Amino acid sequence: EAQVTQNPRYLITVTGKKLTVTCSQNMNHEYMSWYRQDPGLGLRQIYYSMNVEVTDKGDVPEGYKVSRKEKRNFPLILESPSPNQTSLYFCASSPLYNTEAFFGQGTRLTVV
Amino acid sequence: QQPVQSPQAVILREGEDAVINCSSSKALYSVHWYRQKHGEAPVFLMILLKGGEQKGHEKISASFNEKKQQSSLYLTASQLSYSGTYFCGTEPSGGGADGLTFGKGTHLIIQP
Repeated sequence: EAQVTQNPRYLITVTGKKLTVTCSQNMNHEYMSWYRQDPGLGLRQIYYSMNVEVTDKGDVPEGYKVSRKEKRNFPLILESPSPNQTSLYFCASSPLYNTEAFFGQGTRLTVV
Repeated sequence: QQPVQSPQAVILREGEDAVINCSSSKALYSVHWYRQKHGEAPVFLMILLKGGEQKGHEKISASFNEKKQQSSLYLTASQLSYSGTYFCGTEPSGGGADGLTFGKGTHLIIQP
Protein backbone atom coordinates (compact mmCIF):
# COMPACT_ATOMS: atom_id res chain seq x y z
CA GLU A 1 0.00 0.00 0.00
CA ALA A 2 1.30 3.43 -0.97
CA GLN A 3 1.75 5.47 2.15
CA VAL A 4 3.69 7.93 4.24
CA THR A 5 4.53 6.51 7.65
CA GLN A 6 5.41 8.61 10.65
CA ASN A 7 6.68 7.37 14.00
CA PRO A 8 5.87 7.75 16.75
CA ARG A 9 2.21 8.78 16.54
CA TYR A 10 2.25 10.19 20.06
CA LEU A 11 5.18 11.40 22.13
CA ILE A 12 5.49 13.12 25.49
CA THR A 13 8.98 14.31 26.34
CA VAL A 14 10.78 16.72 28.63
CA THR A 15 12.39 20.02 27.74
CA GLY A 16 15.86 19.64 26.30
CA LYS A 17 15.79 15.93 25.57
CA LYS A 18 16.73 15.37 21.93
CA LEU A 19 14.20 13.51 19.83
CA THR A 20 13.67 12.36 16.27
CA VAL A 21 10.39 11.86 14.45
CA THR A 22 10.80 9.53 11.53
CA CYS A 23 9.04 9.79 8.18
CA SER A 24 9.21 7.21 5.43
CA GLN A 25 7.44 6.98 2.08
CA ASN A 26 7.24 3.99 -0.26
CA MET A 27 6.16 5.83 -3.41
CA ASN A 28 9.59 6.89 -4.71
CA HIS A 29 8.63 10.53 -4.32
CA GLU A 30 11.19 13.24 -4.91
CA TYR A 31 9.68 15.95 -2.72
CA MET A 32 9.13 15.68 1.03
CA SER A 33 8.21 18.21 3.67
CA TRP A 34 7.38 18.70 7.34
CA TYR A 35 4.53 20.78 8.76
CA ARG A 36 3.33 21.66 12.21
CA GLN A 37 -0.32 22.30 12.93
CA ASP A 38 -1.50 24.43 15.82
CA PRO A 39 -5.07 25.48 16.68
CA GLY A 40 -6.05 28.62 14.82
CA LEU A 41 -2.80 28.75 12.84
CA GLY A 42 -3.33 26.12 10.20
CA LEU A 43 -0.44 24.20 8.66
CA ARG A 44 2.97 25.81 8.74
CA GLN A 45 5.87 24.41 6.78
CA ILE A 46 9.02 23.67 8.76
CA TYR A 47 11.42 22.24 6.19
CA TYR A 48 11.19 20.72 2.74
CA SER A 49 13.40 18.64 0.49
CA MET A 50 13.45 18.63 -3.29
CA ASN A 51 15.55 15.47 -3.43
CA VAL A 52 18.27 13.53 -1.66
CA GLU A 53 20.76 15.84 0.09
CA VAL A 54 18.71 18.92 -0.88
CA THR A 55 16.80 20.57 1.95
CA ASP A 56 15.54 24.08 2.60
CA LYS A 57 13.82 26.06 5.30
CA GLY A 58 10.10 26.64 5.32
CA ASP A 59 8.25 29.29 7.29
CA VAL A 60 9.05 28.09 10.84
CA PRO A 61 12.42 26.26 10.85
CA GLU A 62 13.79 27.54 14.17
CA GLY A 63 14.51 24.72 16.63
CA TYR A 64 14.32 21.96 14.01
CA LYS A 65 16.73 20.05 11.83
CA VAL A 66 16.17 17.63 8.99
CA SER A 67 18.25 15.34 6.82
CA ARG A 68 17.60 13.55 3.53
CA LYS A 69 20.23 10.89 3.13
CA GLU A 70 17.89 8.49 1.36
CA LYS A 71 15.02 9.23 -0.97
CA ARG A 72 12.43 7.45 1.14
CA ASN A 73 13.30 8.91 4.57
CA PHE A 74 13.04 12.44 5.91
CA PRO A 75 13.47 12.55 9.71
CA LEU A 76 12.66 15.62 11.78
CA ILE A 77 15.09 16.29 14.59
CA LEU A 78 14.49 18.43 17.66
CA GLU A 79 17.89 18.86 19.30
CA SER A 80 16.59 20.63 22.41
CA PRO A 81 12.80 20.59 22.47
CA SER A 82 10.92 23.36 24.25
CA PRO A 83 7.26 23.60 25.30
CA ASN A 84 6.47 25.92 22.38
CA GLN A 85 7.21 23.00 20.06
CA THR A 86 4.23 21.13 21.45
CA SER A 87 2.18 20.57 18.33
CA LEU A 88 0.77 18.15 15.78
CA TYR A 89 3.38 17.35 13.13
CA PHE A 90 2.74 16.09 9.61
CA CYS A 91 5.16 14.71 7.08
CA ALA A 92 4.16 14.82 3.41
CA SER A 93 5.59 13.58 0.12
CA SER A 94 4.92 14.38 -3.53
CA PRO A 95 6.09 12.81 -6.80
CA LEU A 96 7.61 16.15 -7.77
CA TYR A 97 7.51 19.65 -6.48
CA ASN A 98 4.11 21.25 -7.05
CA THR A 99 2.18 18.00 -7.36
CA GLU A 100 -0.32 16.23 -5.12
CA ALA A 101 1.00 15.75 -1.59
CA PHE A 102 0.36 12.64 0.47
CA PHE A 103 0.36 13.21 4.20
CA GLY A 104 1.34 10.89 7.00
CA GLN A 105 -1.06 10.30 9.89
CA GLY A 106 0.61 12.84 12.11
CA THR A 107 2.68 12.86 15.29
CA ARG A 108 1.28 14.54 18.35
CA LEU A 109 4.20 15.87 20.37
CA THR A 110 3.95 17.25 23.88
CA VAL A 111 7.01 18.86 25.49
CA VAL A 112 6.73 19.42 29.25
CA GLN B 1 2.94 35.58 5.09
CA GLN B 2 -0.06 33.28 5.32
CA PRO B 3 -2.84 33.62 2.73
CA VAL B 4 -6.17 34.75 4.13
CA GLN B 5 -9.10 32.38 3.88
CA SER B 6 -12.75 33.36 4.08
CA PRO B 7 -15.10 32.59 5.58
CA GLN B 8 -13.50 31.18 8.72
CA ALA B 9 -16.44 28.86 9.20
CA VAL B 10 -19.67 28.00 7.44
CA ILE B 11 -22.64 25.79 8.26
CA LEU B 12 -24.75 24.44 5.43
CA ARG B 13 -27.62 22.09 4.88
CA GLU B 14 -27.00 19.09 2.70
CA GLY B 15 -27.47 20.02 -0.94
CA GLU B 16 -26.51 23.68 -0.54
CA ASP B 17 -23.53 25.28 -2.26
CA ALA B 18 -20.45 26.83 -0.71
CA VAL B 19 -17.59 28.99 -1.86
CA ILE B 20 -14.31 29.21 0.02
CA ASN B 21 -11.91 31.99 -0.82
CA CYS B 22 -8.15 32.29 -0.52
CA SER B 23 -6.35 35.59 -0.93
CA SER B 24 -2.64 36.37 -0.94
CA SER B 25 -0.66 39.59 -0.70
CA LYS B 26 1.99 38.14 -3.01
CA ALA B 27 1.97 37.31 -6.70
CA LEU B 28 1.29 33.60 -6.97
CA TYR B 29 2.51 30.75 -9.13
CA SER B 30 0.14 28.13 -7.76
CA VAL B 31 -2.62 27.51 -5.25
CA HIS B 32 -3.17 24.13 -3.59
CA TRP B 33 -6.37 23.00 -1.85
CA TYR B 34 -6.65 20.31 0.83
CA ARG B 35 -9.42 19.03 3.08
CA GLN B 36 -8.84 17.70 6.58
CA LYS B 37 -11.37 15.79 8.62
CA HIS B 38 -11.16 15.85 12.39
CA GLY B 39 -8.33 13.65 13.65
CA GLU B 40 -7.12 12.80 10.17
CA ALA B 41 -4.40 13.93 7.79
CA PRO B 42 -5.07 16.52 5.08
CA VAL B 43 -6.18 15.09 1.75
CA PHE B 44 -5.39 16.61 -1.64
CA LEU B 45 -8.20 18.25 -3.61
CA MET B 46 -6.71 20.42 -6.33
CA ILE B 47 -3.75 22.41 -7.63
CA LEU B 48 -4.24 25.49 -9.77
CA LEU B 49 -1.24 26.79 -11.66
CA LYS B 50 -0.46 30.14 -13.16
CA GLY B 51 -1.51 30.01 -16.77
CA GLY B 52 -4.72 28.10 -16.13
CA GLU B 53 -3.63 24.53 -15.69
CA GLN B 54 -5.53 22.56 -13.05
CA LYS B 55 -4.82 19.21 -11.49
CA GLY B 56 -7.40 17.67 -9.26
CA HIS B 57 -10.49 15.62 -8.72
CA GLU B 58 -13.38 15.78 -11.14
CA LYS B 59 -16.06 16.63 -8.59
CA ILE B 60 -14.24 19.64 -7.19
CA SER B 61 -14.01 22.94 -9.03
CA ALA B 62 -11.93 25.98 -8.32
CA SER B 63 -10.76 29.19 -9.89
CA PHE B 64 -7.49 31.09 -9.77
CA ASN B 65 -7.38 34.80 -10.51
CA GLU B 66 -3.69 35.54 -11.00
CA LYS B 67 -4.14 39.30 -11.21
CA LYS B 68 -6.06 39.48 -7.94
CA GLN B 69 -3.90 36.80 -6.29
CA GLN B 70 -7.04 34.96 -5.27
CA SER B 71 -8.47 31.50 -5.56
CA SER B 72 -11.92 30.16 -4.82
CA LEU B 73 -13.05 26.60 -4.17
CA TYR B 74 -16.59 25.73 -5.22
CA LEU B 75 -18.54 22.98 -3.47
CA THR B 76 -21.85 22.36 -5.16
CA ALA B 77 -24.73 20.25 -3.90
CA SER B 78 -22.80 19.61 -0.70
CA GLN B 79 -22.86 16.19 0.89
CA LEU B 80 -22.31 15.22 4.52
CA SER B 81 -18.88 13.88 3.53
CA TYR B 82 -17.77 17.40 2.54
CA SER B 83 -17.58 18.41 6.20
CA GLY B 84 -14.09 19.25 7.40
CA THR B 85 -11.51 22.00 7.38
CA TYR B 86 -10.35 23.30 4.02
CA PHE B 87 -6.87 24.72 3.59
CA CYS B 88 -5.39 26.64 0.71
CA GLY B 89 -1.63 26.62 0.23
CA THR B 90 0.10 29.20 -1.90
CA GLU B 91 3.38 29.24 -3.74
CA PRO B 92 4.74 32.65 -4.71
CA SER B 93 5.78 33.33 -8.27
CA GLY B 94 9.26 34.50 -9.14
CA GLY B 95 11.07 31.40 -10.19
CA GLY B 96 12.70 28.67 -8.18
CA ALA B 97 11.04 26.28 -5.83
CA ASP B 98 9.69 27.62 -2.59
CA GLY B 99 7.68 25.87 0.02
CA LEU B 100 3.94 26.16 0.43
CA THR B 101 2.37 28.60 2.83
CA PHE B 102 -1.04 27.49 4.06
CA GLY B 103 -3.93 29.60 5.29
CA LYS B 104 -5.53 29.08 8.68
CA GLY B 105 -8.36 27.05 7.24
CA THR B 106 -12.11 27.25 6.70
CA HIS B 107 -14.31 25.00 8.82
CA LEU B 108 -17.22 23.57 6.86
CA ILE B 109 -20.09 21.81 8.61
CA ILE B 110 -22.75 20.09 6.53
CA GLN B 111 -25.96 19.27 8.37
CA PRO B 112 -28.58 16.77 7.21
